[in-house]
Amino acid sequence: GAVVSQHPSWVICKSGTSVKIECRSLDFQATTMFWYRQFPKQSLMLMATSNEGSKATYEQGVEKDKFLINHASLTLSTLTVTSAHPEDSSFYICSARGTVGTEAFFGQGTRLTVV
Amino acid sequence: RKEVEQDPGPFNVPEGATVAFNCTYSNSASQSFFWYRQDCRKEPKLLMSVYSSGNEDGRFTAQLNRASQYISLLIRDSKLSDSATYLCAVNVYSGYSTLTFGKGTMLLVSP
Repeated sequence: GAVVSQHPSWVICKSGTSVKIECRSLDFQATTMFWYRQFPKQSLMLMATSNEGSKATYEQGVEKDKFLINHASLTLSTLTVTSAHPEDSSFYICSARGTVGTEAFFGQGTRLTVV
Repeated sequence: RKEVEQDPGPFNVPEGATVAFNCTYSNSASQSFFWYRQDCRKEPKLLMSVYSSGNEDGRFTAQLNRASQYISLLIRDSKLSDSATYLCAVNVYSGYSTLTFGKGTMLLVSP
C-alpha cells in the first residue's frame, strides 16, 4: 500500500503551548487528508476532512480555532493543536487518499500528552 | 441511526474457527467500502476493499449487500495473529467526500 508518514510519533508538551503534527504522503499525491483522534479503548473519531488548497471541513463539536489544519500541498497536511490542555491528550492519526472514492492510508499516529 | 455501525464484540474464538463480522451503513449513497485492521495502540491498516461482486484474499472474504446496506468480513481458519480490532469504512459524498469509520469489532483468537 501507499506510504503515509506522520511526525512526531509522540510528544509531551506543557499546558498552554501549541503542538504541530505533520502528515506526509510519500509516494502519491493526497488530494484529501483526514484527521482523527482516538482516546484509549475508544473508536476513531473524525475531526476534519481536508482537501488540498481548500479550507478543512470540521466535524460537529470540533473547534476549528483550536485544531488548525493546513493542507497547502498535495503531499503535506499539518494539524496544530493550539493552547493544548490535558484533555487534549490523545492519539492523533492522519490518513491520506489520492482519488475520491478510493481507500485511505494511515500515518503512524502521534501520541500527544499535555502536562 | 449512526452512519456506520458495528458490533463492538469482543468475539472470542478458538484457533481454526471461522468468524464473520457485519457492518451496516445508513447512507444509501455510500460509494465505496473498506475493511481495516487496527492492532492495539497502532494505526489502522487497510485489510481489503469491498467490491460489489465480493472480494476474497486468502482466508479473508468481504461482501457487500447494497439492498440491505451492510458489508461483511469472513475470516476462515482463524490464527492467533488475527486478534485485532476490525474497522469498516464507508466513503460517502454529501457535499464533500469523506471516509467514515465504524467503531470497530474486536476479535480475540485463543489457542
